[in-house]
Amino acid sequence: DGGITQSPKYLFRKEGQNVTLSCEQNLNHDAMYWYRQDPGQGLRLIYYSQIVNDFQKGDIAEGYSVSREKKESFPLTVTSAQKNPTAFYLCASSPFYSNQPQHFGDGTRLSIL
Amino acid sequence: AQKITQTQPGMFVQEKEAVTLDCTYDTSDQSYGLFWYKQPSSGEMIFLIYQGSYDEQNATEGRYSLNFQKARKSANLVISASQLGDSAMYFCAMREGRYIQGGSEKLVFGKGTKLTVNP
Repeated sequence: DGGITQSPKYLFRKEGQNVTLSCEQNLNHDAMYWYRQDPGQGLRLIYYSQIVNDFQKGDIAEGYSVSREKKESFPLTVTSAQKNPTAFYLCASSPFYSNQPQHFGDGTRLSIL
Repeated sequence: AQKITQTQPGMFVQEKEAVTLDCTYDTSDQSYGLFWYKQPSSGEMIFLIYQGSYDEQNATEGRYSLNFQKARKSANLVISASQLGDSAMYFCAMREGRYIQGGSEKLVFGKGTKLTVNP
């Protein structure tokens, strides 16, 4: 079945540590996105990518970095510069130039040790 | 200014009854799209229904329908015959403009409404 796989489901970060969240899709979608969700809040866009080797900052990119070396993969690194990283992170993808909805993965919950 | 407003933090409905979840939006674009997503307690976001700004008919998908009132900038979700499995967070989201810097669909989300279906 086609879909988006996020791993791990739960992740713990020590102070000063960088961690990387994985997102892989087999839907052949061109565009991929990373969102952050805090308790009781909606989703906020961190980064998005329309094509391989290109990505754009979203509304809350500070303290995060991404790469898009393959169409299927869009990993997110939460750096030590992100002072409040505890949140639920959702990855999504969508076809390019369409009104099709974004498809989401099951999310990664990141906590600070 | 908030682009998507969901004024109901929580809603309760009896099983088998209908419920309306409110969503108002703010945009100056003529072309935009409105989406509703469901988020169960497990966390995944499930797409429910889409309405384009130029669509003349209100969108429907099974038990879900969208009451689109363009002049009032509202896009309320109506769930008919509620089921216990409908208990979840519901998010309204908007895509502005036909293309965003080349085509990606940048979505703006509301803060959500928590729906509880009582037996």
